[in-house]
Amino acid sequence: GAVVSQHPSWVICKSGTSVKIECRSLDFQATTMFWYRQFPKQSLMLMATSNEGSKATYEQGVEKDKFLINHASLTLSTLTVTSAHPEDSSFYICSASVTQETQYFGPGTRLLVL
Amino acid sequence: GESVGLHLPTLSVQEGDNSIINCAYSNSASDYFIWYKQESGKGPQFIIDIRSNMDKRQGQRVTVLLNKTVKHLSLQIAATQPGDSAVYFCAENAQEGYSTLTFGKGTMLLVSP
Repeated sequence: GAVVSQHPSWVICKSGTSVKIECRSLDFQATTMFWYRQFPKQSLMLMATSNEGSKATYEQGVEKDKFLINHASLTLSTLTVTSAHPEDSSFYICSASVTQETQYFGPGTRLLVL
Repeated sequence: GESVGLHLPTLSVQEGDNSIINCAYSNSASDYFIWYKQESGKGPQFIIDIRSNMDKRQGQRVTVLLNKTVKHLSLQIAATQPGDSAVYFCAENAQEGYSTLTFGKGTMLLVSP
């Protein structure tokens, strides 16, 4: 149980385009979903927290107009990287929370912006 | 032995050895701690957790120790196997009732056959 999927698993796009990443909780309803970014050999950095039906809460330094988060249902959250640039290339990981402490992580999406 | 790289400390062990991975956490108010394993190109995988009212918790081949006095957490892996090779992160929950986690820097464990 408690499986989280992400789609796509990897994406290559041209600079200036927008990319949407989906995060789904497959066998449970998640009250909260989180989006993280991870650069090579570094830790996970929380970007934003989203609750179904409400606006996401962004961490300091994360541009909310660049990283659009939509949490339309208890099983789906999307992250859209708008006008992507090479510096946005990273490994994006989502997680879904069932209880107020436990997070289950997706497999990640690797984004490469050319 | 253990070495500190530019970003990620690395612990190299032989198969069958016991491994100890350490983590210093920052917030004395944190009351819940989790160890995650992350293999290359994958998301973090839950290993074991511990609450602040405990000093030790054991799982299958893994033990987590918590020393609140010095804000230190450790993960012990018994009879380390090549499949244990991964990056290990500790995470702390500093806000009771909220699920926000703060991740440590991580340690890469390399197990040689």
